[in-house]
Amino acid sequence: EAQVTQNPRYLITVTGKKLTVTCSQNMNHEYMSWYRQDPGLGLRQIYYSMNVEVTDKGDVPEGYKVSRKEKRNFPLILESPSPNQTSLYFCASSLLDNTGELFFGEGSRLTVL
Amino acid sequence: TQLLEQSPQFLSIQEGENLTVYCNSSSVFSSLQWYRQEPGEGPVLLVTVVTGGEVKKLKRLTFQFGDARKDSSLHITAAQTGDTGLYLCAGAESNDYKLSFGAGTTVTVRA
Repeated sequence: EAQVTQNPRYLITVTGKKLTVTCSQNMNHEYMSWYRQDPGLGLRQIYYSMNVEVTDKGDVPEGYKVSRKEKRNFPLILESPSPNQTSLYFCASSLLDNTGELFFGEGSRLTVL
Repeated sequence: TQLLEQSPQFLSIQEGENLTVYCNSSSVFSSLQWYRQEPGEGPVLLVTVVTGGEVKKLKRLTFQFGDARKDSSLHITAAQTGDTGLYLCAGAESNDYKLSFGAGTTVTVRA
């Protein structure tokens, strides 16, 4: 089954404790992206990658890191989480073609105390 | 400030009624997409429109892309409870692969 898998789905952590949210896709997509979703703000892009070893900042990259060492994986790293990073996070992937259809994971709800 | 403004923010209607959701911008988009998101899940693509003035129909859903490619609308005829969800529009500006999302319209269809 074609899918984007995120882990963990739910996480409660404390300020400053490094964490990683993993993302994996099995569709051989070139493009991968991380978004955060907050009430009234919609989906805001954190980082994206158009291919292996190629990553770029989105609209709200501060406090986040990513890597793309393999085509299928695109982990999101919070080196020192803060309460303002409490949010619902989505990983998405797509082919680099005219349709641009994004396939989303089920989301990771992160709470930073 | 959102690049794409969606209205209304919330919409609650009775089953069988019609509804329209709007997505507006001052920017020109090479393509515009509509997604629906249900609680606990990620957004799922409904349609992509690419030509100014284009109208696409998917069963009871009608999508329109403005002539100037700056705005779009989603119309649902005879809404059903299964249409309940968050509707998101997303646009790609010319020569840019990056998608910008609107804040979404939460639609609730009451039985």
